[in-house]
Amino acid sequence: QSALTQPASVSGSPGQSITISCTGTSSDVGSYNLVSWYQQHPGKSPKLMIYEVTKRPSGVSNRFSGSKSGHTASLTISGLQAEDEADYYCCSYADGTSVFGGGTKVTVL
Amino acid sequence: QVQLVESGGGVVQPGTSLRLSCTPSGFNFRAYAMHWVRQAPGKGLEWVAVISYDGHNKYYADSVKGRYAISRDNSNNTLWLQVNSLGAEDTAMYYCARDVARLTGSYFYGMDVWGQGTTVTVSS
Repeated sequence: QSALTQPASVSGSPGQSITISCTGTSSDVGSYNLVSWYQQHPGKSPKLMIYEVTKRPSGVSNRFSGSKSGHTASLTISGLQAEDEADYYCCSYADGTSVFGGGTKVTVL
Repeated sequence: QVQLVESGGGVVQPGTSLRLSCTPSGFNFRAYAMHWVRQAPGKGLEWVAVISYDGHNKYYADSVKGRYAISRDNSNNTLWLQVNSLGAEDTAMYYCARDVARLTGSYFYGMDVWGQGTTVTVSS
């Protein structure tokens, strides 16, 4: 159960779009459409932003979108806003278990 | 409103045990698979365990297999995590979370409701 690979940090200016990658293997991201993404502000509990690769829960802004190609899933935030500054984690089903990525800190410049 | 409240954390000595609890409200608890996820201080999220909606199926991360036990009581609306043989590596905030999937034999779809967490500190 190795952690999924995410960039440590991504930054962008307000209004820009950014993409966070999440790279796994054929045992997790590459074989299942069970990738989810979570936003976590400091001192707060995680919040589900995307599930099943592309689905957005009710109440989550449509500025957040998910995709997958091969062993890599991606989260795109369009129209970046100050409130988007947070840590983001991907998560994938992995042969009977679940594995998170190491997390990406998003900074709004 | 839909809510999860964890309890049972604390400061414990190495080698001891704890039972963490998670109390749901505002939704039909018996219809959902439930997870435990932990986060060590300053570190990322780590998935720990999941239990099916009916309690019949349980899965664990390799790092806790054999030491942790997840269970639930649907009649009394409670989820538990029994944590044994605690070591420094178990120091973390422990969250319970609800799976998106409802009344299905599959889980791991995503975790859409999270509690505020309960802190476990292992220290001599």
